[in-house]
Amino acid sequence: QVQLVESGGGVVQPGRSLRLSCGASGFTFSSYGMHWVRQAPGKGLEWVAHISLDGSDEYYADSVKGRFTISRDNPKNTLYLQMNSLRGEDTAVYYCAKERGDYADFRSWGQGTLVTVSS
Amino acid sequence: EIVLTQSPATLSLSPGERATLSCRASQSVGSYLAWYQQKPGQAPRLLIYDASNRATGIPARFSGSGSGTDFTLTISSLEPEDSALYYCQQRSNWPPLTFGGGTKVEIK
Repeated sequence: QVQLVESGGGVVQPGRSLRLSCGASGFTFSSYGMHWVRQAPGKGLEWVAHISLDGSDEYYADSVKGRFTISRDNPKNTLYLQMNSLRGEDTAVYYCAKERGDYADFRSWGQGTLVTVSS
Repeated sequence: EIVLTQSPATLSLSPGERATLSCRASQSVGSYLAWYQQKPGQAPRLLIYDASNRATGIPARFSGSGSGTDFTLTISSLEPEDSALYYCQQRSNWPPLTFGGGTKVEIK
């Protein structure tokens, strides 16, 4: 079965960097677009970034554009989110999510990893 | 950016009652709308995709309808385990993908 496991979250000071990872198994990772979605404490879901199946296309939410970079390593079945210049408003649970076929909605999600930006 | 507005914010009903949740889009999304259920401490779970298609393993009491700008998620007969937050999401025109603000369903 599909499994997505995020790691790399933690407490980080404003202005610092953090890299999240999402290990994938149970499906052909290189055949699917992938996304990061976040959820601030007590708030709703916010889409963060997308990467195409071969890594050739990337899209970002305006709130993270220029600060976050999504990437993937298909031979390692791993998705990444490099987060630079972190702000308090980036505090959230970050989920990786697999596209449903060729479509940008999400049957499969990881369990999430918490990023807390605080001095 | 397409804005999705969900109503009501909270729905409080008894087991066996019918729940009707609304999602309105700021412009047409065709049928490209999904619904998710999220329980505390858990990742969202896909319930409905393309407005009216139940995802694998989703009970038949969950149904979706609508097209264009107005969509409805109906839970025909509430079970205690249906207590959760429910979100809609559009994939018609992105980036950005957008989610609604959520509806909380409480079981009395």
